[in-house]
Amino acid sequence: GDSVTQMEGPVTLSEEAFLTINCTYTATGYPSLFWYVQYPGEGLQLLLKATKADDKGSNKGFEATYRKETTSFHLEKGSVQVSDSAVYFCALRNNQGGKLIFGQGTELSVKP
Amino acid sequence: DAGVIQSPRHEVTEMGQEVTLRCKPISGHDYLFWYRQTMMRGLELLIYFNNNVPIDDSGMPEDRFSAKMPNASFSTLKIQPSEPRDSAVYFCASSLGGFETQYFGPGTRLLVL
Repeated sequence: GDSVTQMEGPVTLSEEAFLTINCTYTATGYPSLFWYVQYPGEGLQLLLKATKADDKGSNKGFEATYRKETTSFHLEKGSVQVSDSAVYFCALRNNQGGKLIFGQGTELSVKP
Repeated sequence: DAGVIQSPRHEVTEMGQEVTLRCKPISGHDYLFWYRQTMMRGLELLIYFNNNVPIDDSGMPEDRFSAKMPNASFSTLKIQPSEPRDSAVYFCASSLGGFETQYFGPGTRLLVL
């Protein structure tokens, strides 16, 4: 079945460091891909998405490119802030209208 | 604008007791989802509704779990009887038009002793 695999956390970075959180997926067909973020004590919120190969989703300085050849959707940010500390979830939805399949989440901690 | 509202935020109960979790979706949204989040299993979809009608409850773990949506502004998730393995964070989410852009509530942290 469809699945999402994320790099394990926690990831600890200093402020202004470069961030990469790896995400790979297994799915039939051409799924849509998402990154959701969960700030402490809150529910998840959509950060960005991409619906077809080579699309780049971006929001709040975060970017992710849909790479079909490597079945990946890695999340990147050039300069993280303390306020980016959160848990990040990669997710997919297959093109047959199925539910969202979430990865396990990667905790990011940014130190001043 | 008010987001998705869940109550209670925290619940501690004893094994065998009935637990009722409540959710108020964003006004105008036509989809409502219930998720469970645990360290072991991550985020799992339990059930979802479209226009107040349950569409897929295949994620509901057992008959002890039930969910209702009597109107467009209210839903409940009930566990009866509760067991320690039900301890988790339960999220309600709503959306307009489908699965893709879901708005999550803050969650209910349930501890069953």
